Amino acid sequence: GEQVEQLPSILRVQEGSSASINCTYENSASNYFPWYKQEPGENPKLIIDIRSNMERKQTQGLIVLLDKKAKRFSLHITDTQPGDSAMYFCAASPMGYKLTFGTGTSLLVDP
Amino acid sequence: GPKVLQIPSHQIIDMGQMVTLNCDPVSNHLYFYWYKQILGQQMEFLVNFYNGKVMEKSKLFKDQFSVERPDGSYFTLKIQPTALEDSAVYFCASSPWTGGALEQYFGPGTRLTVL
Repeated sequence: GEQVEQLPSILRVQEGSSASINCTYENSASNYFPWYKQEPGENPKLIIDIRSNMERKQTQGLIVLLDKKAKRFSLHITDTQPGDSAMYFCAASPMGYKLTFGTGTSLLVDP
Repeated sequence: GPKVLQIPSHQIIDMGQMVTLNCDPVSNHLYFYWYKQILGQQMEFLVNFYNGKVMEKSKLFKDQFSVERPDGSYFTLKIQPTALEDSAVYFCASSPWTGGALEQYFGPGTRLTVL
C-alpha cells in the first residue's frame, strides 16, 4: 500500500505553545519525508524534510522525527505564532520521485 | 526559493473541450510532476517526467491526459476531452537532481473549472 495517514486533521493551539502532527506510512520503500505548508489559495511550500538515514532534524523552530521501524514520522512546531496557521501536509516517497501526501492538518494558532 | 510558474492561473471550459495547462519549471531542474488537488483535500500525484519521458503515472492519469515538454519549453498537461470530475487545482512541481532524494518545488497552481 501507499497510503499516508495524518493526524490530527484539525489542531488549535495558543500562541507560544508547541504543535505536533503525526504521520504513518505503508510503503517500506519510502526514504524521503517532506513537510509542506499550504496557505489558502497558495501553492504548497516545502518547510522541512528528512531522509531515512536520519532520525531527527531541526531547523528554525521546526523539528521532524522519523521512526523507520514503526513507519512513523512527525512534525513539531515549537513556539507557535499566528503566522504558523495554515494547512500542513506530510508526504512520503521513494527517493522523491512521487510524493504520496497525508490528508492534511489544519493548524490554527490563537493569539 | 526556486520558483515554478504556471499559466493560466484560472481556466473555465465546457465539458468535452480540450485544455492545456502550462508549467515553467525552475531552469536547472530535470524532473517534472503534475499533481491534482480537489478543494479541501490533499494533492494527489498524477505523473512524473524526466528526459522527455513519462517515468510513472497514477491511476488518476486517465487516457485523456497527456504531458510533454517540447524543446525545453513549457511542461504541459493536456486534457482531451475534459470531464466534470477534472475540475480541480492542478499543481506543477519540479526537482533538481541532488544525488539523493528529490526536493519538489510547487508552482502556484491552475484552477480548472469544467462546466
